[in-house]
Amino acid sequence: SQTIHQWPATLVQPVGSPLSLECTVEGTSNPNLYWYRQAAGRGLQLLFYSVGIGQISSEVPQNLSASRPQDRQFILSSKKLLLSDSGFYLCAWSVLKGTDTQYFGPGTRLTVL
Amino acid sequence: AQKVTQAQTEISVVEKEDVTLDCVYETRDTTYYLFWYKQPPSGELVFLIRRNSFDEQNEISGRYSWNFQKSTSSFNFTITASQVVDSAVYFCALSNYNTDKLIFGTGTRLQVFP
Repeated sequence: SQTIHQWPATLVQPVGSPLSLECTVEGTSNPNLYWYRQAAGRGLQLLFYSVGIGQISSEVPQNLSASRPQDRQFILSSKKLLLSDSGFYLCAWSVLKGTDTQYFGPGTRLTVL
Repeated sequence: AQKVTQAQTEISVVEKEDVTLDCVYETRDTTYYLFWYKQPPSGELVFLIRRNSFDEQNEISGRYSWNFQKSTSSFNFTITASQVVDSAVYFCALSNYNTDKLIFGTGTRLQVFP
């Protein structure tokens, strides 16, 4: 069966520090991968999605970036964190793009101080 | 434009009550998919159901049921005999072949008290 992992589970970082969140999927090949952010008490915002290695689509212009160095690995990064980057970051995967069911990981709770 | 509206921000019920969570969507496409996800306090989104626009049959899964009505663009979710473990935020979402992504509503927080 397929499983999706995210780490770290929680992270507290100072403003201006770099960020690297990792997401990996097991049990499937060539998944579509997604990064979402959920600000406190709010809905989900799609940040990036990827249909294959090295292929990244950005939904929201910001100081975050994403990379997919391996088929089942998706990384969210920032060179300098802002206070507004605080939130709950969720990674998801699907077999097909768009209309297929997306399955979510456990999330990373990021607090920028 | 694609949009999902969950007008109920928060609902509180007492255990064993039935509760319905409303979801209204907007799309111009004839082929689309609707979803419900549950987000318990742990944070992970749990997939509940996916329904395509050509299947208007109501779905029942244990205490959960879904009522899809294209005439009113609604996909409502009912929990029968609610339990404390049902306490969570529930999201309705929409997708189609034009958007290539899920469009989420703002969620409804359900609190079930013992």
